[in-house]
Amino acid sequence: EPEVTQTPSHQVTQMGQEVILRCVPISNHLYFYWYRQILGQKVEFLVSFYNNEISEKSEIFDDQFSVERPDGSNFTLKIRSTKLEDSAMYFCATRDRNYGYTFGSGTRLTVV
Amino acid sequence: SQQGEEDPQALSIQEGENATMNCSYKTSINNLQWYRQNSGRGLVHLILIRSNEREKHSGRLRVTLDTSKKSSSLLITASRAADTASYFCATDSGGSNYKLTFGKGTLLTVNP
Repeated sequence: EPEVTQTPSHQVTQMGQEVILRCVPISNHLYFYWYRQILGQKVEFLVSFYNNEISEKSEIFDDQFSVERPDGSNFTLKIRSTKLEDSAMYFCATRDRNYGYTFGSGTRLTVV
Repeated sequence: SQQGEEDPQALSIQEGENATMNCSYKTSINNLQWYRQNSGRGLVHLILIRSNEREKHSGRLRVTLDTSKKSSSLLITASRAADTASYFCATDSGGSNYKLTFGKGTLLTVNP
C-alpha cells in the first residue's frame, strides 16, 4: 500500500534555529497538507497545498512557516526561527480524488 | 463543544467486549473519518463515511452517521489488547481544500 514518508522521525533543535521537515507524498495524490499535534492535544490543520501553491493556511501558520515542493516530489515544511511552543508532532498528509487521506508517521520536533 | 468532539475521553474495557466511541460536530460536513493513533505514533485511517451514508462496516469496525444530530459513532466489536490506542474523528466540511478538523480523541484501553 502506498505510504507517505516523513523524515526525520525526531528532531531536536535549539530555540531560534531553522528546521526543515520533509515529506515524500504519494505520487498520484494532488492535495498535500501539514498538520501538527502538540503533546496531549488534538491534531490541528496548518496548511494545504495544491497545484504548487498554498491553497489555505490556518492562524497557526504565521510568517515563520513556509512550505514548498523544491524538486516536484518532496514536500517540505520550514520553520524559520523555532520557538519552544513549536514543539509538537508534525504530520504530512496527502489526499486522493476520493477523499482518502494518508498520513505520514510524523516528525516529533522538540525545541529546547 | 468543538467540532469533532469525541466522548468518552477515556474508555477501559476487557478483551472480547465491544467498544463504542461517539463524536459530535457542529457544521455541515462532506464526510467524517475515524483515525487511530498508537501512543506517540502516526495516524492510521480507519474508515470514511460520506454525508449521504448512514452506516458503514469494515471488519470489526462499524461506523454510523446521523447528520440530523450531527453525530457519529465508532463501534469496535470483539476488542483485542492490540486495539488499545487513541481514536479520533475528523470532519471534512468540504470547500476547495478538504481540510480535516479533528476532535480531541478517545483513549481506548483494552485489558487482556
